Amino acid sequence: EVQLVESGGGLVQPGGSLRLSCAASGFIVSDSWMTWVRQTPGKGLEWVANIIQDGSANYVDSVKGRFTISRDNDKNSLYLQMNSLRAEDTALYYCVRDGVWGQGTMVTVAS
Amino acid sequence: DIQMTQSPSSLSASVGDRVTITCRASQDVRSDLGWYQQKPGKAPKRLIYVASRLQSGVPSRFSGSGSGTEFTLTISSLQPEDFATYYCLQANKYPFTFGGGTRVEVK
Repeated sequence: EVQLVESGGGLVQPGGSLRLSCAASGFIVSDSWMTWVRQTPGKGLEWVANIIQDGSANYVDSVKGRFTISRDNDKNSLYLQMNSLRAEDTALYYCVRDGVWGQGTMVTVAS
Repeated sequence: DIQMTQSPSSLSASVGDRVTITCRASQDVRSDLGWYQQKPGKAPKRLIYVASRLQSGVPSRFSGSGSGTEFTLTISSLQPEDFATYYCLQANKYPFTFGGGTRVEVK
């Protein structure tokens, strides 16, 4: 069974950093398109970034230069390194593979 | 970026009703479009991919159609468990973009 479990969210001050993790089971992360999607509380969905099989990554403009998506093949995990965090990055972050979503991890950026 | 415009933003319907939700893209996205259902407090669930293919395990009352810039999600006979918010997602050009959502409420 394909399963995704996110972790690493929390409260961080503006300008700070967080690293989100997504532990995958039931499939091989490096063989898949892996995506991060976020949802602002009470609002809609925003596609954030993806990494494809060859390791290339794509980002929404608002996070380019601040966020980095990566994977660890040995741990079969996906990551999102988030630097220079802003209040507008506050959201529930989901790890997604194909039609399967994790339960999300909450990131709150506030002083 | 490609803008995805969903309509309506909300609708009220009764069990048994036929419901249609539209998603319009600001540019041609071919058939690279998916539909997602989200219930309160839950992660989204994919219903349809590449515009018209039903995700495994999704009831056949859900269907998708369209290509290019106009797409439709249809629920042929609304069931109690279908009251939720629905989103489209274009996956043709980066950055991928979601529609603003359509909330389906009880009439």
